[in-house]
Amino acid sequence: GAGVSQSPRYKVAKRGQDVALRCDPISGHVSLFWYQQALGQGPEFLTYFQNEAQLDKSGLPSDRFFAERPEGSVSTLKIQRTQQEDSAVYLCASSSDRVGRAFFGQGTRLTVV
Amino acid sequence: DAKTTQPPSMDCAEGRAANLPCNHSTISGNEYVYWYRQIHSQGPQYIIHGLKNNETNEMASLIITEDRKSSTLILPHATLRDTAVYYCIVRGSGGGADGLTFGKGTHLIIQP
Repeated sequence: GAGVSQSPRYKVAKRGQDVALRCDPISGHVSLFWYQQALGQGPEFLTYFQNEAQLDKSGLPSDRFFAERPEGSVSTLKIQRTQQEDSAVYLCASSSDRVGRAFFGQGTRLTVV
Repeated sequence: DAKTTQPPSMDCAEGRAANLPCNHSTISGNEYVYWYRQIHSQGPQYIIHGLKNNETNEMASLIITEDRKSSTLILPHATLRDTAVYYCIVRGSGGGADGLTFGKGTHLIIQP
């Protein structure tokens, strides 16, 4: 398809388990963003990539969160030793430049039990 | 990036124009006003953005006051599918935070 694709759509993890969330951005989009959305709240910025370079990771809540985009296209958000407070929807967005219109995926709903 | 203030919720009758206000009194000269919406269980969807002139596209119109301290998003003929949370976001064209700052938005409910 032509949109941003995220997988899996739903993930249930036991506390302490590591998880990996995948984002396939729109082909050719230079900029890629990850957001975290808690229930009833607006999305909150986690990290930003320009091609393969991670230019901003100021929103990552702890060193258990790690993101990569090694070839400048697909990105993976990894959460190590998941905790209950990590339960949220994780959204990925891509755009043709840093300030342009951003296209969002449907998100991955992570539930830590 | 400047902060925005929006009412938490609004109702609008189906078929009527929905006017969603946003205050951004601390906006600076190089900052754009963006509007996104999020329908339940979906990712946010871009609607429109502008700098100082009014803008219109197939989804909506954006009216920005002359002093740029506030704006209004207009959905000209609201339908039930327009029920969503609408986010007004102010963002600079250079420097500053890289991500969008969403806030809590306005929950717009279209009534049949």
